[in-house]
Amino acid sequence: DTGVSQNPRHKITKRGQNVTFRCDPISEHNRLYWYRQTLGQGPEFLTYFQNEAQLEKSRLLSDRFSAERPKGSFSTLEIQRTEQGDSAMYLCASSSDGSSYNSPLHFGNGTRLTVT
Amino acid sequence: AQSVTQPDIHITVSEGASLELRCNYSYGATPYLFWYVQSPGQGLQLLLKYFSGDTLVQGIKGFEAEFKRSQSSFNLRKPSVHWSDAAEYFCAVGLYGGATNKLIFGTGTLLAVQP
Repeated sequence: DTGVSQNPRHKITKRGQNVTFRCDPISEHNRLYWYRQTLGQGPEFLTYFQNEAQLEKSRLLSDRFSAERPKGSFSTLEIQRTEQGDSAMYLCASSSDGSSYNSPLHFGNGTRLTVT
Repeated sequence: AQSVTQPDIHITVSEGASLELRCNYSYGATPYLFWYVQSPGQGLQLLLKYFSGDTLVQGIKGFEAEFKRSQSSFNLRKPSVHWSDAAEYFCAVGLYGGATNKLIFGTGTLLAVQP
């Protein structure tokens, strides 16, 4: 178990640029989640996948955000035309089948995005 | 709407002292409740969880939490705090049903431990 891996750890970008983050889940986990954490707040749910199917998306995920998990393994989160309000820590988590109660989430260390 | 409130933004305790972190939830049915810990630069780690059964739940690292339905609370406790417990602690409620499978987190309590 090598844990959930997120890359890059830090990303600084200028407003209006596009950014893409990658998440590699624990290999046997077929569920993958994205959360966003802003300063002074708890993590907020963005979306989750069961294998390659995106099953739920938060209203926080505006049309500038897109997440994919093309082969049911790693996932990418892309933000187009970044805004300063997108500055946050983006957390990825994975789990095996079942609810997050029965199959606890394993979180990565996050990607910290700063939009200048 | 479902929500989680952690009234204390920041708490400082002395090493060896007892600890209680407060959590109140708003949920229409029996809640699935969690406590997570986040150390600086690290991801979140599950400390303990509760849905049913004994209302006093034991977790990792010597933590426990007590579910009190009448108070809509799920407070986290530790009898003797160690310096390594300094971190941010998040209470969460789980939402499940249909395709929904997510955690709603509180705003967190940052714990500082004095020597």
